[in-house]
Amino acid sequence: EVQLVESGGGLIQPGGSLRLSCAASGFTFSSYSMNWVRQAPGKGLEWVSFINPTNSALYADSVKGRFTISRDNAKNSLYLQMNSLRDEDTAVYYCARSAPIPGVVPEYWGQGTLVTVSS
Amino acid sequence: DIQMTQSPSSLSASVGDRVTITCRASQDISNFLAWYQQRPGKVPKLLILAASTLQSGVPSRFSGSGSGTDFTLTISSLQPEDVATYYCQKYNDAPALAFGGGTKVEIK
Repeated sequence: EVQLVESGGGLIQPGGSLRLSCAASGFTFSSYSMNWVRQAPGKGLEWVSFINPTNSALYADSVKGRFTISRDNAKNSLYLQMNSLRDEDTAVYYCARSAPIPGVVPEYWGQGTLVTVSS
Repeated sequence: DIQMTQSPSSLSASVGDRVTITCRASQDISNFLAWYQQRPGKVPKLLILAASTLQSGVPSRFSGSGSGTDFTLTISSLQPEDVATYYCQKYNDAPALAFGGGTKVEIK
């Protein structure tokens, strides 16, 4: 069974930094592309970032230059380093495994971790 | 960037009704479209890939159709457990992945 467990969320002041983690199990982590997707309170879904098995990364324009996605295949873990946080980054952040198809399709999702950016 | 527009933004229907949700892309995306279901307080669930391919375990009352710019998600007979917000997502090109704004489905 695919399991994804996010951690690292919390309350952070604007301009601050936070690192999210996602522990994966139930599949061969090193073989899959992974994503971060966020959802602001009461709002829709917004894709944030993608990383493939060879560490090629993609970012949404809204986070480019501020967020960095990375992975540690030995630890079956995905990370999101978030710097220069803004109020509008407040959201539940989901770790999601991509479907094994061309294109970026988050297939399996974790339960999410809440990031609140506020002074 | 290609924009994804869903309609309606919300709907209310009776149990057993046929429900149709529309997703329109601002440019041709072929069949690179997925549909998700997010029940209240729950995590999004992938329902359909490639516009019409039902994921394993998804009830057959769900179906998807369309190609190019116009797509539909149909629930042939609405059930209480289908109360959720449904999102379309284009995936023909990255990094400009885009979700639609969502359609909230309620029971009348």
